[in-house]
Amino acid sequence: AQSVTQLDSQVPVFEEAPVELRCNYSSSVSVYLFWYVQYPNQGLQLLLKYLSGSTLVESINGFEAEFNKSQTSFHLRKPSVHISDTAEYFCAVTFTYNTDKLIFGTGTRLQVFP
Amino acid sequence: NAGVMQNPRHLVRRRGQEARLRCSPMKGHSHVYWYRQLPEEGLKFMVYLQKENIIDESGMPKERFSAEFPKEGPSILRIQQVVRGDSAAYFCASSPPVSSDTQYFGPGTRLTVL
Repeated sequence: AQSVTQLDSQVPVFEEAPVELRCNYSSSVSVYLFWYVQYPNQGLQLLLKYLSGSTLVESINGFEAEFNKSQTSFHLRKPSVHISDTAEYFCAVTFTYNTDKLIFGTGTRLQVFP
Repeated sequence: NAGVMQNPRHLVRRRGQEARLRCSPMKGHSHVYWYRQLPEEGLKFMVYLQKENIIDESGMPKERFSAEFPKEGPSILRIQQVVRGDSAAYFCASSPPVSSDTQYFGPGTRLTVL
C-alpha cells in the first residue's frame, strides 16, 4: 500500500538557522509530490509541488524540496527560517495515473524560536 | 479570485444531532474533495465528487456520512447522529476540470461534538 512517512513530528529551531523536514514515501507506481503548510487554526496552503522535470522545486518564500527517486524522498529545506515559518508542514503524494486522492503524512510541527 | 470557501468555520453539535458542512469550490473548479483531520493526525481522504456525481467514496465511513455536489450550490458533507469520535477538522479541496493534479484547500470546518 502507498504511504507517506514524516519521520519528525516536531522540529524546534532558532531563527535564521537552516532546517530540513524529512518526507519519505512508499509507492509501486509513479507519484506526484506536494508540501502543504498549515498555520495555526487555518487551512492547508500549497507550498510547492513536484510533477515532472527538474527534481529541485522552490517556493516563493525560500523553501525548496528535492525529489529523490532512488531514496523515495522529498525533503523540504530552508537555509534560514523566520519566526513566521512556525506552522505544521504536511507532505503528500498522489498517483500520476489517478490524482483523485492525496495521501498525507502525519505532519511535522516546525517551531521557530527567537 | 476567491479561494475555496467553507462554512461554518466552527460547528458544535450534541451527540445524536446532524451536522451539515458546506464547501464552495474555487471559481472554475468542478472537482471537490473532502478530507478529515483527526487531532494530532494528518488528513485522510473521504470522498471525491464532480457535479451531481460521486466519483470515489472509498474513504467515507459506511454509515451516517454522506456527500453531495448538486448542479447548483455548494457541496455538502452531511453527518447524521453525530458521535464524539466525529469531532475533527473537515477540509474541502477543489481542482479544475483540466489539469486536476493539484488540489486547493479551504480553511476547514472544525466540528466539536459534545
